[in-house]
Amino acid sequence: DAGITQSPRHKVTETGTPVTLRCHQTENHRYMYWYRQDPGHGLRLIHYSYGVKDTDKGEVSDGYSVSRSKTEDFLLTLESATSSQTSVYFCAISESNNEQYFGPGTRLTVT
Amino acid sequence: KQEVTQIPAALSVPEGENLVLNCSFTDSAIYNLQWFRQDPGKGLTSLLLIQSSQREQTSGRLNASLDKSSGRSTLYIAASQPGDSATYLCAVNSGYALNFGKGTSLLVTP
Repeated sequence: DAGITQSPRHKVTETGTPVTLRCHQTENHRYMYWYRQDPGHGLRLIHYSYGVKDTDKGEVSDGYSVSRSKTEDFLLTLESATSSQTSVYFCAISESNNEQYFGPGTRLTVT
Repeated sequence: KQEVTQIPAALSVPEGENLVLNCSFTDSAIYNLQWFRQDPGKGLTSLLLIQSSQREQTSGRLNASLDKSSGRSTLYIAASQPGDSATYLCAVNSGYALNFGKGTSLLVTP
């Protein structure tokens, strides 16, 4: 398995609070991605990174920000969590446009 | 925008059957296509990656084909086993990230 960890694995938070999810890789891959998975929608891209300090928006980026200060870490921040952001969040990595490998996911519940 | 469709949405077969899962996509300008397996409450496991220049890839009992011009891919599973029960996801790379279908939920009964 690709060396990808996500933390926390589960989180319950209240509406309006900030939340940060962390993705850590040991593969030294250049590209990192954040997806969310929701019933009826499948997986959708939130943000991605193509290098340290280089990030861009995906399909569902509103309400989210990201940062990548080191190759191995990609952080996803919900500035003010809403109930619509209750979801399962997956991090993925790849080298160039090749095979993507996914982390175990973070289940986030916003009450 | 790339749209990815998987048919059927759910499938139940007896153990030992060969089966085909279908994936179609609307834009043939792709870099590659990936098939994943997802068990309930778990992450995604990559099964096969087909580059846009390839026609098929094989791994054990799995064979995936790609017809880019018609916007179709199939995942063939030979001699299915109860352990194959999972959701299978097709994902198309048209640029920098993957566009996913909603998956086929497969149940293989003993």
